[in-house]
Amino acid sequence: DTEVTQTPKHLVMGMTNKKSLKCEQHMGHRAMYWYKQKAKKPPELMFVYSYEKLSINESVPSRFSPECPNSSLLNLHLHALQPEDSALYLCASSQERAGLDEQFFGPGTRLTVL
Amino acid sequence: AQSVAQPEDQVNVAEGNPLTVKCTYSVSGNPYLFWYVQYPNRGLQFLLKYITGDNLVKGSYGFEAEFNKSQTSFHLKKPSALVSDSALYFCAVRDLTIYNQGGKLIFGQGTELSVKP
Repeated sequence: DTEVTQTPKHLVMGMTNKKSLKCEQHMGHRAMYWYKQKAKKPPELMFVYSYEKLSINESVPSRFSPECPNSSLLNLHLHALQPEDSALYLCASSQERAGLDEQFFGPGTRLTVL
Repeated sequence: AQSVAQPEDQVNVAEGNPLTVKCTYSVSGNPYLFWYVQYPNRGLQFLLKYITGDNLVKGSYGFEAEFNKSQTSFHLKKPSALVSDSALYFCAVRDLTIYNQGGKLIFGQGTELSVKP
């Protein structure tokens, strides 16, 4: 299985809602990532988990809360988002052997905040 | 500071013609370079990477890239473009200031490739 899956595909939420994005991979990868991407722009790194520990937080607002329950799963909990948080949220994973490995991306969750 | 530049926002090519998508980089030390493609409403797909060795790297879907150290470039090429190659292309370099904490990538701004029949 060489796939990263993300659910849901689309999500519409109000500014007072709490929701979660889910990401799963079964490639045995030990690094997992959350990115935010605006239309026709490069992905912006949000968080990196390495061996199930948060290793990079790119100064993301606390209304985004990542969680890595096990080596195959990555969640992104959302609370009190703003309309400017509307974007495509991408999950990725990599083997992470000394940083030489490519990242495998999921199809993304298209988030709209009303 | 490490960076990647894609000087062209858009590249237009006729089907069957060769295509080139340009990328230049600025790093201290050895560069680890990647190309990704993104089709509409999809995630990014890995095309190829340069770590070390042969300067000509072959990748998926008939793409290749040439690493040129003297020109600090890593241009993506394909001998004969297809309409289905139309997509957004990103060049990226591994951020070498962060080690063993997950592979942080620095992306270029992206180049939109349009291949017309």
